[in-house]
Amino acid sequence: EIVLTQSPGTLALSPGERVTLSCRASQSVISNYLAWYQQKPGQAPRLLIHGTSNRATGIPDRFSGSGSGTDFTLTISRLEPEDFAVYYCQQFGSGNSPRYSFGQGTKLEIK
Amino acid sequence: EVQLVESGGGLVKPGGSLRLSCVASGFSFSTYSMNWFRRVPGKGLDWVSSITWSGDEVYYADSVKGRFTNFRNNAKNSLYLQMDSLRAEDTAVYYCARLLNGYHEYWGQGTLVTVSS
Repeated sequence: EIVLTQSPGTLALSPGERVTLSCRASQSVISNYLAWYQQKPGQAPRLLIHGTSNRATGIPDRFSGSGSGTDFTLTISRLEPEDFAVYYCQQFGSGNSPRYSFGQGTKLEIK
Repeated sequence: EVQLVESGGGLVKPGGSLRLSCVASGFSFSTYSMNWFRRVPGKGLDWVSSITWSGDEVYYADSVKGRFTNFRNNAKNSLYLQMDSLRAEDTAVYYCARLLNGYHEYWGQGTLVTVSS
C-alpha cells in the first residue's frame, strides 16, 4: 500500500502570498492518478487537481499541480481569503483491488 | 446539476448496525463506479469501499472488511453502506463520491456516524 506524506502539517500565511504544498509517496505513483482536494470545516472535499496537473472544472488558475514519481506539489500562486483550508493529496492504485490513499493533510491558516 | 445526498447517520452503540444511503441525481448513476470515504474527527480522509457501476465488483478497506456491505440499486439511483458490528473507531463523517479515472469530482455533504455507549 502506498503511503502519502504531506508537508508541512500546518502553515500560517497571509493573503497574497505564494505557497507550495508537498506530497511525497512511499512508492512511485502513476501521475494520472494523483489528485488534490481542498476541505473546509463542515464541507465535503472539493476536487482541485487531477492527473497531477489538470485543474478541475471551475478551479481558478492560481491553483497548479506538478510532479512525478514520488514527489508532487500543489502551488497556490496568490492566496485569497477563501483558500485557507485543509489540503489533501490522493492517489489511486490498482492491483488485486483498488486502493485510494490520502495524505494526512496540510492546514493553511491565516497569519 | 450533479448531486449526491447521504442520509442514515446517527448515534449507535458498539456492536450495533446502521445503513447509510446516498441518492444521486443530475447524472447517469448506473454508468459510474462509486466510493465511500470517511473522515474521523480531527484526522484525515480514509477510503472505505468501492463498487463498480453494475455492482458486480465491490472492494473494502481492511478495517471494515467483513463488517460493512456496499451495494447499489441503479433503478433508484441509490448507493448504500450497511454497517454492522460497529466499533468506536468507526465514528466518522461518511461521504459517498463519484469515481472517474481514479479521482472524485462530486461528493455528498456527508453524514455523521457516532459509535458510543
